[in-house]
Amino acid sequence: AQSVTQLGSHVSVSEGALVLLRCNYSSSVPPYLFWYVQYPNQGLQLLLKYTTGATLVKGINGFEAEFKKSETSFHLTKPSAHMSDAAEYFCAVRFGGYQKVTFGTGTKLQVIP
Amino acid sequence: AAGVIQSPRHLIKEKRETATLKCYPIPRHDTVYWYQQGPGQDPQFLISFYEKMQSDKGSIPDRFSAQQFSDYHSELNMSSLELGDSALYFCASSVSETTNEKLFFGSGTQLSVL
Repeated sequence: AQSVTQLGSHVSVSEGALVLLRCNYSSSVPPYLFWYVQYPNQGLQLLLKYTTGATLVKGINGFEAEFKKSETSFHLTKPSAHMSDAAEYFCAVRFGGYQKVTFGTGTKLQVIP
Repeated sequence: AAGVIQSPRHLIKEKRETATLKCYPIPRHDTVYWYQQGPGQDPQFLISFYEKMQSDKGSIPDRFSAQQFSDYHSELNMSSLELGDSALYFCASSVSETTNEKLFFGSGTQLSVL
C-alpha cells in the first residue's frame, strides 16, 4: 500500500532554532513528494516539491527538504525558526500521473519566543 | 470516527453541461476548503468558507461557484464544463474556532468531462 506518514502531530521549537519536520512514505513506484503549509483560516500553500533530479529541494521562506530514497524519507528543515513559521505543515505524496495526492496528517509547528 | 464525505465519488459529464459536487464536513467543523487536482498536477486551492461565508478565494474560474449551507455542508457548482475541468476535486474541513486548526480531507470526486 502507498502511504505517507508524518511523525509528530505537534512540534515546538524556540525562535532561531532548527526546524525539522519528519515525513516518510511507502511506495512501490517513484513518488512525487510535496510539503504544504497552512496558516490559520487559509488554504494549503505549496512550500516545495520533489519530482526528479536533485534530491535536495529548496522552497519558499527558507525551507528545504531532502529526498532520501534509502530511508524513504522527505524531511523538511529550516536552519532558523521565525515566529511567522508557526503553522501546520502537510507532507504529501503523489504516485503516477492521474493519481490523487495523498496527504499526511499534518504537523503543527509552534515557535516559542 | 466520521470523516469528510464527498459525493458523488465519480461523475461523467459532457462539454457545456453543469455539475454539482457536494461536501459534508466532519461534525462541528465550520470551515470547508475546495481543491482541484488536474491530471499530473498539484492540487490547487479553489475556495473556502467559514461559517457560511466565503473566507478565501484561489484559482476558481468564474464558471464555478460555491456556497456553504446552514448545516455547514458545501456545494461546488460548475457550469459550461470544459475538457480542462476534468480533475479530482476534493474538499477539506476544519474547526476554525481555535488556532489549532487541522485539515481533514475527503476522498475526492473524480470529474471526467467528455
